[in-house]
Amino acid sequence: NAGVTQTPKFRVLKTGQSMTLLCAQDMNHEYMYWYRQDPGMGLRLIHYSVGEGTTAKGEVPDGYNVSRLKKQNFLLGLESAAPSQTSVYFCASSYSAFGDEQYFGPGTRLTVT
Amino acid sequence: RKEVEQDPGPFNVPEGATVAFNCTYSNSASQSFFWYRQDCRKEPKLLMSVYSSGNEDGRFTAQLNRASQYISLLIRDSKLSDSATYLCVVTLGPPSGTYKYIFGTGTRLKVLA
Repeated sequence: NAGVTQTPKFRVLKTGQSMTLLCAQDMNHEYMYWYRQDPGMGLRLIHYSVGEGTTAKGEVPDGYNVSRLKKQNFLLGLESAAPSQTSVYFCASSYSAFGDEQYFGPGTRLTVT
Repeated sequence: RKEVEQDPGPFNVPEGATVAFNCTYSNSASQSFFWYRQDCRKEPKLLMSVYSSGNEDGRFTAQLNRASQYISLLIRDSKLSDSATYLCVVTLGPPSGTYKYIFGTGTRLKVLA
């Protein structure tokens, strides 16, 4: 039982490049989330999904897109990376709505130069 | 005013000491409360939920004060392994508004030998 996994663990991009971060969970959770964590800012919600085929915007969605084609996977895309997107990205999942415990993946450290 | 506020610390305490952190929140309609622990360069993990009646788990005690709008975490007999950042989480949802899972920026604890 791996829980929540994320790939890649580290990535360096040049400004303007694109990439996709993959999140997978094996707990059969309905809800999945993408956060970014920056020093002094705490965790901020980018996008979330309440079930397969659904996505919704969080607090800081600009510059990111997401897809949830399968229940166990939640993808985060950066179409044209900017230095302001340098951050640590965490994926999380939960069984039910926002009032439930969230299980986090190990994170992806992204640097945009 | 921030929705959730924590003293960033660091709190430097000797082994065996008792230490307490507070976390204040601004929305009186907040519904659920949690404490997460985050080790350096790792993902957040749930430490404990905070119930209206308080919650104790071994050396850890969490309490909620709705009148003054804060939650607290008390750690007794601190261990070196307790060194981490402690994040408080406050949730909001219908009928008060859309679902939100709001993280504080964290309080850093260092337990010294």
